[in-house]
Formats: sequence, C-alpha cells, structure tokens
Amino acid sequence: GESVGLHLPTLSVQEGDNSIINCAYSNSASDYFIWYKQESGKGPQFIIDIRSNMDKRQGQRVTVLLNKTVKHLSLQIAATQPGDSAVYFCAEIENTGFQKLVFGTGTRLLVSP
Amino acid sequence: NAGVTQTPKFQVLKTGQSMTLQCAQDMNHEYMSWYRQDPGMGLRLIHYSVGAGITDQGEVPNGYNVSRSTTEDFPLRLLSAAPSQTSVYFCASSTRPHGANVLTFGAGSRLTVL
Repeated sequence: GESVGLHLPTLSVQEGDNSIINCAYSNSASDYFIWYKQESGKGPQFIIDIRSNMDKRQGQRVTVLLNKTVKHLSLQIAATQPGDSAVYFCAEIENTGFQKLVFGTGTRLLVSP
Repeated sequence: NAGVTQTPKFQVLKTGQSMTLQCAQDMNHEYMSWYRQDPGMGLRLIHYSVGAGITDQGEVPNGYNVSRSTTEDFPLRLLSAAPSQTSVYFCASSTRPHGANVLTFGAGSRLTVL
C-alpha cells in the first residue's frame, strides 16, 4: 500500500553510506521536533526527537541536528541499510498547551544493496 | 499488545455514502487523533480528543464527525462521502496531549470515493 504520492523528494544511497535528510520548518515558536519513518503500507513510526534548547541529539545510528537560526532540521543515518528505505517526515510542535503537530511533506530514502 | 488498530484497511465508497472508520487502542492513552495523508502534503489533523467525552477540531474537520465515548475507541464518521475525501487515514494516540509527546500510529485506512 503506497501511502504517499510520486512527487516526494528522493534520496538514493548505497548500502553502508551515511544519509542526510533535511527539513525546513515553518514556525519560529516551535520548540519540539520529531522525526518519523514511514514504510510502505504502514503508519509513521517515531525515530528520534529533539527540543529547541538542544542543537544535536544522537540515537542508535541516527543523529538529529537543529539549527534554529535558519529553521532547519536534519536527520543523519549512519551506515544506511536496505531496511532504512522509507519515507521520512519531520514534525514540529509549539508547546502552547494543546496538541498541534505540524508535519512536513516527507523525503523518500532509497537504499541500494 | 496490539497498539493502535484501524479498520477497515481498504474501502471504496460512492459519492454520498456514509461510513465509519474504526480506531481502537489498548495502551490506555488519553489522547487520540485522526489524520489524513494526501500526495505531496504532510499529514493533516482532522479531529482529536484529549479524553473520553472530549473532542475538538483539527486543521481539516469539514465533512467528518468524531465521538469519544470510551478511552479505547475513537471512530471517524464520513456523513456524505465526496471524492475530495479520497485519502489514507491514520489514527494515532499518545499518553500526553500537551507538550512533548510521541504519537503511536495505526497502519492506516485507504479510502477511495468514486
């Protein structure tokens, strides 16, 4: 089941390469950011998050960088594997006291063996 | 532990028909929400609920109704389906509606309106 359309930006990498997926966010008041991974036919799955008082956070094989000056977020995946092939979304939220997560349109990552 | 369960996975409707997309979670999450996902656009919030008996509109609520009679269930109703409602719908839940949260998503329901 394809969950998104054909016009997503696509990043193609070789297995073992490092991948960098970028995201520009819109609200300078956003103070919490999340990266989601969405495999074909599935719902988005949490990868990593970062608060606005940080500029870097590391997980297992993933690192998120936040540049508040230019409202830019990036997701770095080390030693990319075929199982990393998916659509990746960033999401931002302003901690105003009610739920409003704003999602980006996504980037498709294709990993070749 | 099933997480968030959506039914049906696929549905085809004719214009004007009504239907309900079901969503159930077994994690005792207070917060539940419905999103739609369309080509070239990010997920957009339709309706959300911060607890049983409480619902509110999201970004694109027109044409949809919701109710939250129990903590576990959050059905989405299309009263009179239109082709513009052709989309993939995702239900999500989380433990905290405010501030930092991590949504758990269902697998999605693909709806086609002819």
